Amino acid sequence: GQNIDQPTEMTATEGAIVQINCTYQTSGFNGLFWYQQHAGEAPTFLSYNVLDGLEEKGRFSSFLSRSKGYSYLLLKELQMKDSASYLCAVIINNAGNMLTFGGGTRLMVKP
Amino acid sequence: EADIYQTPRYLVIGTGKKITLECSQTMGHDKMYWYQQDPGMELHLIHYSYGVNSTEKGDLSSESTVSRIRTEHFPLTLESARPSHTSQYLCASSGTGTSAKDYNEQFFGPGTRLTVL
Repeated sequence: GQNIDQPTEMTATEGAIVQINCTYQTSGFNGLFWYQQHAGEAPTFLSYNVLDGLEEKGRFSSFLSRSKGYSYLLLKELQMKDSASYLCAVIINNAGNMLTFGGGTRLMVKP
Repeated sequence: EADIYQTPRYLVIGTGKKITLECSQTMGHDKMYWYQQDPGMELHLIHYSYGVNSTEKGDLSSESTVSRIRTEHFPLTLESARPSHTSQYLCASSGTGTSAKDYNEQFFGPGTRLTVL
């Protein structure tokens, strides 16, 4: 089976840096996505990792270690609008390449 | 910008009514999905389709049904709505690119917020 774990909630201060972790246990791993979802809205794509290492995109970076089954999303220079849920999702290639979502981490940015 | 649409955006109905939630995409994606999500909670996959005439049940048992007669259209039907069906329903589709990212990235519609009284 597949198991994807993320912290349920996190709080950080405007202007700070926050790291949201995601661990997974699955067979047939074929890549990992991070999505952002504001309350009441649809998830939107943030990043994709398939090889080990760091992918940087502006204030957001995502890291993957396949051997450890571990990823994190790093948000720098936090802004109030970054308050949202962040969803980690893993591609499972032995199940028709289905994307399996974690429970999401609700991030609250405070002034 | 993703071209995936859902109607209605909001629906309030009485118990026992039959409803159909519409989902359409203009990206030519083969795979489509329905998720159920309560406020502040995780996404639950209830149905998916690999293409025309293909429908599968997801991880979460649901009393709804789906059909896929055309590539672009994936409606969800509740024959008899109940208060326990109150939730947000999100439709998504994913592409046919050659890379794992392009093939698996899911694009989401704006959702339908359903309230059953």
